[in-house]
Amino acid sequence: AQKITQTQPGMFVQEKEAVTLDCTYDTSDPSYGLFWYKQPSSGEMIFLIYQGSYDQQNATEGRYSLNFQKARKSANLVISASQLGDSAMYFCAMREDYNNNDMRFGAGTRLTVKP
Amino acid sequence: EAQVTQNPRYLITVTGKKLTVTCSQNMNHEYMSWYRQDPGLGLRQIYYSMNVEVTDKGDVPEGYKVSRKEKRNFPLILESPSPNQTSLYFCASSSDGYEQYFGPGTRLTVT
Repeated sequence: AQKITQTQPGMFVQEKEAVTLDCTYDTSDPSYGLFWYKQPSSGEMIFLIYQGSYDQQNATEGRYSLNFQKARKSANLVISASQLGDSAMYFCAMREDYNNNDMRFGAGTRLTVKP
Repeated sequence: EAQVTQNPRYLITVTGKKLTVTCSQNMNHEYMSWYRQDPGLGLRQIYYSMNVEVTDKGDVPEGYKVSRKEKRNFPLILESPSPNQTSLYFCASSSDGYEQYFGPGTRLTVT
């Protein structure tokens, strides 16, 4: 069964606007971590943000924030004030703590920022 | 500079010819992993290691082997590559299994 679902294969956003990239997950493990990674066209994987399942507040890192809705099992990434350099593939991932280092990734969303 | 290195970066080979992709990290990380990336499927974990001599299967281990004889190195071995192993491969390391540092990737083509 698919554990991480990213339903948006591609998204467009106007420069300087905010954009939300969707991610839903499936787990019965009470303790888990959620991650977002960025993959620009150059191919490297860049860690953006992390949210623990027991964290009370939504994670934020600069222009990135994670909208964590535990009951709905969603972990959407919000990018504020989009920049042209934000154009990339974005991957949501989950690590179940009782499944050690088994990381599961979604299929990704390709974000294009328009000038 | 803290980094994860992979070699080679690009490789074209033929079916059945054994190959090894090396991975090395200089951050003294306990955790290391191998992933393959295919269009529409995201990254899928092949194998991971939580320490020297400790390895375990990920999501798609068939056709691959790994070893962890030293903390810094985690080579990926394809004993008899097949065309369905054509993919982009990433090695990653982590101090705690959470934030992962990825290598630059190895693009493998098996003909």
